[in-house]
Amino acid sequence: AQKITQTQPGMFVQEKEAVTLDCTYDTSDQSYGLFWYKQPSSGEMIFLIYQGSYDEQNATEGRYSLNFQKARKSANLVISASQLGDSAMYFCAMRPEDNTNAGKSTFGDGTTLTVKP
Amino acid sequence: NAGVTQTPKFQVLKTGQSMTLQCAQDMNHNSMYWYRQDPGMGLRLIYYSASEGTTDKGEVPNGYNVSRLNKREFSLRLESAAPSQTSVYFCATPGKTGTNVLTFGAGSRLTVL
Repeated sequence: AQKITQTQPGMFVQEKEAVTLDCTYDTSDQSYGLFWYKQPSSGEMIFLIYQGSYDEQNATEGRYSLNFQKARKSANLVISASQLGDSAMYFCAMRPEDNTNAGKSTFGDGTTLTVKP
Repeated sequence: NAGVTQTPKFQVLKTGQSMTLQCAQDMNHNSMYWYRQDPGMGLRLIYYSASEGTTDKGEVPNGYNVSRLNKREFSLRLESAAPSQTSVYFCATPGKTGTNVLTFGAGSRLTVL
């Protein structure tokens, strides 16, 4: 079984500053994928960033980076230069790496990020 | 949410009524998934279909049935709705190739009174 824990129900950050959203995971799988989704108030799920468990380098996508520490089983999301439009709910998730089960993702309960002007 | 279309977007039911949520994808993927999102929580897998003609239970299947009508369509049915099924329902299919990251539909908000 897989488990995702996001310990920060809500976070505040000043516009243009960086913020880290925490995510820890637990799994017995040897290979897996970790990713983050953004859910704005409109409700859609927007994919942000992906990290494979065997990737040695941390993933980056524009202002988003994933701080992957395998030994600690953490996959924190770092947003640099926060913008007002970053205010949203953020979900950390994981899934098995094998194609048969790739869509059977496990999600955390999310962190609500509010960017202050 | 290009590629995954859900209907209806909103629905209000009375306890005991039945309804079907429809999902269609145009990305030619074999697998499709139904998730639910309760207020203040993450998504939980209800049912999935690895390929046309096959379906399997996810984490929270009780009270639901599914049909994989063809490769494009995957429907979720509530036979006798209960207030505990008030939720937002998302259909999903693998998106970007190589990562199997999910692409979600826009969601269907269901309220059961």
